[in-house]
Amino acid sequence: ELKVEQNPLFLSMQEGKNYTIYCNYSTTSDRLYWYRQDPGKSLESLFVLLSNGAVKQEGRLMASLDTKARLSTLHITAAVHDLSATYFCAVDNMDSNYQLIWGAGTKLIIKP
Amino acid sequence: DSGVTQTPKHLITATGQRVTLRCSPRSGDLSVYWYQQSLDQGLQFLIQYYNGEERAKGNILERFSAQQFPDLHSELNLSSLELGDSALYFCASSLMGSGANVLTFGAGSRLTVL
Repeated sequence: ELKVEQNPLFLSMQEGKNYTIYCNYSTTSDRLYWYRQDPGKSLESLFVLLSNGAVKQEGRLMASLDTKARLSTLHITAAVHDLSATYFCAVDNMDSNYQLIWGAGTKLIIKP
Repeated sequence: DSGVTQTPKHLITATGQRVTLRCSPRSGDLSVYWYQQSLDQGLQFLIQYYNGEERAKGNILERFSAQQFPDLHSELNLSSLELGDSALYFCASSLMGSGANVLTFGAGSRLTVL
């Protein structure tokens, strides 16, 4: 079964701490996307990772992709309350006309 | 404003009824996607259109149907509504039908079925 697994699914952390969200996928793909969703809001694109070893950073968020391990990580450095959101990863399924397969999302709560 | 316009933003209706959700994609985008997100649930892909043609179908119920018109706007029709259809329905658009492309999401249409 083709699937994308995120863990943890829920994370509560203190401001100032570092943490990593993991996204494992089972399909053949070299393209991975991270999206952010604030409560009750829409999704917005954060990062697009297009090749093995790709690393993208914006502010306190850094995403990386290892296509051989079929793993992407989203690392949060010195978390701040404004980063509280649900983070989704999605993968292009190369075996199925590049349809996106979505993870279940990681709900991140950062306490002041 | 993402450039993807969805109407209505909120809709309350009764079981058994039929509703139509509308989506205008971002200017220049040819592909439209529909997703359903239930409370505290992930995204469920429903259907994708590219330049007027159905490109991919996901977990879309037979009671639901969609189309993309020549001007590229899309409509999602939900009929014989059930309580479980209450959800946030997102439309997204992208330039390409496949390949590396980023989806731009609309603000969503929140459907409540009573």
